[in-house]
Amino acid sequence: KQEVTQIPAALSVPEGENLVLNCSFTDSAIYNLQWFRQDPGKGLTSLLLIQSSQREQTSGRLNASLDKSSGRSTLYIAASQPGDSATYLCAVKNSGYALNFGKGTSLLVTP
Amino acid sequence: EAGVAQSPRYKIIEKRQSVAFWCNPISGHATLYWYQQILGQGPKLLIQFQNNGVVDDSQLPKDRFSAERLKGVDSTLKIQPAKLEDSAVYLCASSSPDRNYGYTFGSGTRLTVV
Repeated sequence: KQEVTQIPAALSVPEGENLVLNCSFTDSAIYNLQWFRQDPGKGLTSLLLIQSSQREQTSGRLNASLDKSSGRSTLYIAASQPGDSATYLCAVKNSGYALNFGKGTSLLVTP
Repeated sequence: EAGVAQSPRYKIIEKRQSVAFWCNPISGHATLYWYQQILGQGPKLLIQFQNNGVVDDSQLPKDRFSAERLKGVDSTLKIQPAKLEDSAVYLCASSSPDRNYGYTFGSGTRLTVV
């Protein structure tokens, strides 16, 4: 059974800092990995999708990497802003389509 | 493209009452999922549909939860009777049958059982 772990559970940084969120998974036989953002009381917004054959994906100030063999992914946020404050969820897709989620990292960027 | 639509956005009910949630996926997405997200946790899959057939409902509490997807498009999730521990956000998502495709989630329904 796939287990997804996210570290740290919570993070507080001053505005402008670069930061890294970590995700690890136990079963490396994945189809893809997806990073989501969730604002309080809201649904999930997809940030980046990395296929199993890819090493990284970039969108604006976000960069996600994938090391399938070691079961790890990182989400790098450059020049953080208060608007980046949210919970970030990592999810992996194995066979059968369903996503397995970590518990998320709660990020607070202070002005 | 229009996103995944869910309603209602919020619902407060008393324990032992019944409640229903509705989801309309992205047009053309054959796969539809219902997830339950308890506060402080990641979403947990309740049920997965492929067109109007159930692919996985192994984590659905079938004594009180039911779901259907008529005509392979809209879906409803029902809880009857509700318990206090059912308080959570219920998320609907849809995806293309292509396994390399990502998910799109709706805004969710926040259920509070009192």
